[in-house]
Amino acid sequence: AQSVTQLGSHVSVSEGALVLLRCNYSSSVPPYLFWYVQYPNQGLQLLLKYTSAATLVKGINGFEAEFKKSETSFHLTKPSAHMSDAAEYFCAVCPSGGYNKLIFGAGTRLAVHP
Amino acid sequence: DAMVIQNPRYQVTQFGKPVTLSCSQTLNHNVMYWYQQKSSQAPKLLFHYYDKDFNNEADTPDNFQSRRPNTSFCFLDIRSPGLGDAAMYLCATSRETSGRGGTDTQYFGPGTRLTVL
Repeated sequence: AQSVTQLGSHVSVSEGALVLLRCNYSSSVPPYLFWYVQYPNQGLQLLLKYTSAATLVKGINGFEAEFKKSETSFHLTKPSAHMSDAAEYFCAVCPSGGYNKLIFGAGTRLAVHP
Repeated sequence: DAMVIQNPRYQVTQFGKPVTLSCSQTLNHNVMYWYQQKSSQAPKLLFHYYDKDFNNEADTPDNFQSRRPNTSFCFLDIRSPGLGDAAMYLCATSRETSGRGGTDTQYFGPGTRLTVL
């Protein structure tokens, strides 16, 4: 079964510092991959997605992620953190095979301090 | 603006008392999903409708049912809520056109937080 592992349930960075949130997937066939952000008591908002086009994917709010097949990774980065980036981030995989299903990682809570 | 709306945002029910959560969408998407998200956990898919076709996840308890009377609305019915059903319930929609499934973005509503007393 396909799965997603997010390394680090909590990440804390200073405002202006690099944000790196890690995501590794398990799949014998490259899946479709997504990053979502969730602010407190809100639904999930799509940051970006990889659907087998360019391996470097740019999303909203200055985030980007790089698909690395050799490392089965899809890490999320942002060059300079803002206080408003504090939220929960979920990596998700859509298994190959034509099924409408997102499998989420456990999430990483990002804290940004002054 | 086109969106996914969930009502109510907060729902309190009693142990064993049936409850219905509502989701509506103005996106005209053909797929609607219900997720359960417990505190500090990832969302977990309960079931989804692809047009009128209902697709239940294998591990979704029988206590959870869903109805989709038309394209715009989808309901989640919990027949006999237990304390373990307290969670955030998220509705999402997508417009699947590729035939592959899952490639189109899922748009989430703000969720309904269910408390069971």
